Amino acid sequence: EAQVTQNPRYLITVTGKKLTVTCSQNMNHEYMSWYRQDPGLGLRQIYYSMNVEVTDKGDVPEGYKVSRKEKRNFPLILESPSPNQTSLYFCASRRTDSYEQYFGPGTRLTVT
Amino acid sequence: GESVGLHLPTLSVQEGDNSIINCAYSNSASDYFIWYKQESGKGPQFIIDIRSNMDKRQGQRVTVLLNKTVKHLSLQIAATQPGDSAVYFCAENSRSGGYQKVTFGTGTKLQVIP
Repeated sequence: EAQVTQNPRYLITVTGKKLTVTCSQNMNHEYMSWYRQDPGLGLRQIYYSMNVEVTDKGDVPEGYKVSRKEKRNFPLILESPSPNQTSLYFCASRRTDSYEQYFGPGTRLTVT
Repeated sequence: GESVGLHLPTLSVQEGDNSIINCAYSNSASDYFIWYKQESGKGPQFIIDIRSNMDKRQGQRVTVLLNKTVKHLSLQIAATQPGDSAVYFCAENSRSGGYQKVTFGTGTKLQVIP
């Protein structure tokens, strides 16, 4: 089954404790992206990747890092999480020649 | 479900009627516009897209209209069904030197009244 998976689905952590949210897709998509979703603000792009080793900032990259060492994986790293990073996070992927993004199920992160 | 529906404009439609969801976009250089549907507790799901050089595109029960003069996008859903109840987002894709960014609107909640 074609899908985007994220882990963990739910995470409660404390300020400053480094964490990684994993994202994996099995569709051989070149383009992958991370979004955060907050009430009233819609989805905002954090980082995206056009292909392996090619990444760029979205609209809200501060406090986040990404890497794209393999085509299927695009982890989101929070080196020192803060409470304002409490949010619902979505990973998505698509082919370069299409605008149909496939989204993962979301990761609910709470930073206390 | 997740509380993504807070503070969203809401459109209430009787089952069987047509729905029109509107969106204003900001970047006149955007080359593609996309509509997504998000059901409670799930990730967004692609509905339809339209290239910036088109003004209308039809899918199954959905039509997207693009008015570049006033930077306005609309999604029309024919014969709205209870399963159409969700939050709908428009998104615009913009390119810059080989890179591509996606900017989402804040969303509209569609409530279908049985």
